[in-house]
Amino acid sequence: GAGVSQSPSNKVTEKGKDVELRCDPISGHTALYWYRQRLGQGLEFLIYFQGNSAPDKSGLPSDRFSAERTGESVSTLTIQRTQQEDSAVYLCASSPQRGLGTQYFGPGTRLLVL
Amino acid sequence: KNQVEQSPQSLIILEGKNCTLQCNYTVSPFSNLRWYKQDTGRGPVSLTIMTFSENTKSNGRYTATLDADTKQSSLHITASQLSDSASYICVVTDNNAGNMLTFGGGTRLMVKP
Repeated sequence: GAGVSQSPSNKVTEKGKDVELRCDPISGHTALYWYRQRLGQGLEFLIYFQGNSAPDKSGLPSDRFSAERTGESVSTLTIQRTQQEDSAVYLCASSPQRGLGTQYFGPGTRLLVL
Repeated sequence: KNQVEQSPQSLIILEGKNCTLQCNYTVSPFSNLRWYKQDTGRGPVSLTIMTFSENTKSNGRYTATLDADTKQSSLHITASQLSDSASYICVVTDNNAGNMLTFGGGTRLMVKP
């Protein structure tokens, strides 16, 4: 079956604009994660969805960031009023279970804020 | 505060040589530790997952060790290949309700011919 897909693959935007990033997890995976990776830095956890439980938003860097997930399917990460510091690769991963389950990563969305 | 530190930050080795990457963590309570390989421009790929009771786990030429007492892990790569050039990321999950993940900064490995 298909893996995790993300769109767009690349996004260039102007400072101050809003952007929306999409993640389609593997069908049947209850857990979904969003990460950010700035150039030359390690992965940074953003948010975690597990089934119908309230998401863990503790990694979101500011209130400009928000994410939604419809049931156990697609998720969108929205960044409002983008800043140049938001430039990074945004990675989505899904897992069939919480905790120990292997995470399957998408190819990422490369965001550049000019 | 939970932390994961990796060393070295970067490493250059010759093809065919072995190398060992280190990961020290302060995450508590501990649930599991993963090593990921991430090629440039790609998403991370899981290499190994270890729980508290596991000391060693292998995946081909990759062998991970875990010492839960000293909170240290290592990733040993045997007979390196050019395709091993990548970032290797250590990720520790805690055992609280949220199963938070704490990431190391990664070790950037370059294998030269």
